[in-house]
Amino acid sequence: QVQLQESGPGLVKPSQTLSLTCTVSGGSIRSGGSYWSWIRQYPGKGLEWIGSIYYSGSTYYNPSLKSRITIAADTSKNQFSLNLSSVTAADTAVYYCARRSSGWFVDYWGQGTLVTVSS
Amino acid sequence: QSVLTQPPSVSGAPGQRVTISCTGSSSNIGAGYDVHWYQQLPGTAPKLLIYVNNNRPSGVPDRFSGSRSGTSVSLAITGLQAEDEADYYCQSYDSGLSNVVFGGGTKLTVL
Repeated sequence: QVQLQESGPGLVKPSQTLSLTCTVSGGSIRSGGSYWSWIRQYPGKGLEWIGSIYYSGSTYYNPSLKSRITIAADTSKNQFSLNLSSVTAADTAVYYCARRSSGWFVDYWGQGTLVTVSS
Repeated sequence: QSVLTQPPSVSGAPGQRVTISCTGSSSNIGAGYDVHWYQQLPGTAPKLLIYVNNNRPSGVPDRFSGSRSGTSVSLAITGLQAEDEADYYCQSYDSGLSNVVFGGGTKLTVL
């Protein structure tokens, strides 16, 4: 059973970079057909896809966020990470790390971490 | 404003059948992209409920089923139970946006 756990600051100042790490257990991020992903959920409950990374390093980013996001993987630690630059209050959300299948559905989710952007 | 449109809320009495619609367009559902459904209980992460239109992961009761027609899909829940009270989201891919898209979510209330 794959388990994912997000970690990182819960408060980020405007214009700074939001950085989160996801630790995967119960499975390897090098497993084929697994795309390690970030999804966020706004306080009003809407979900937004942020992006994904394959263990080979190939990335897929939400075009509307592409200029501000970087997703990277550390296979030695079985972790992947999200950097979101130049944040504003509009980036306040619960951030989930997740595993996306090759069929484009998410079968494993982390518990989520609330990140608030405020001075 | 979500690319996929869901009703904000639906309700039903225990034992009844309810359906939740998810309407898209010719660049997502109408283009034939698969649709998936998630259930989010209060205070928890979403959970995969239906994948690739009408497939249930292990452990999901057969009271939950999916169907599609044209640019719309529906999630049906039969034999409604109190534990089904949750938010439900549809998800697909949009070729015009080149992005994964979600519905705005539907809150199911069990009366």
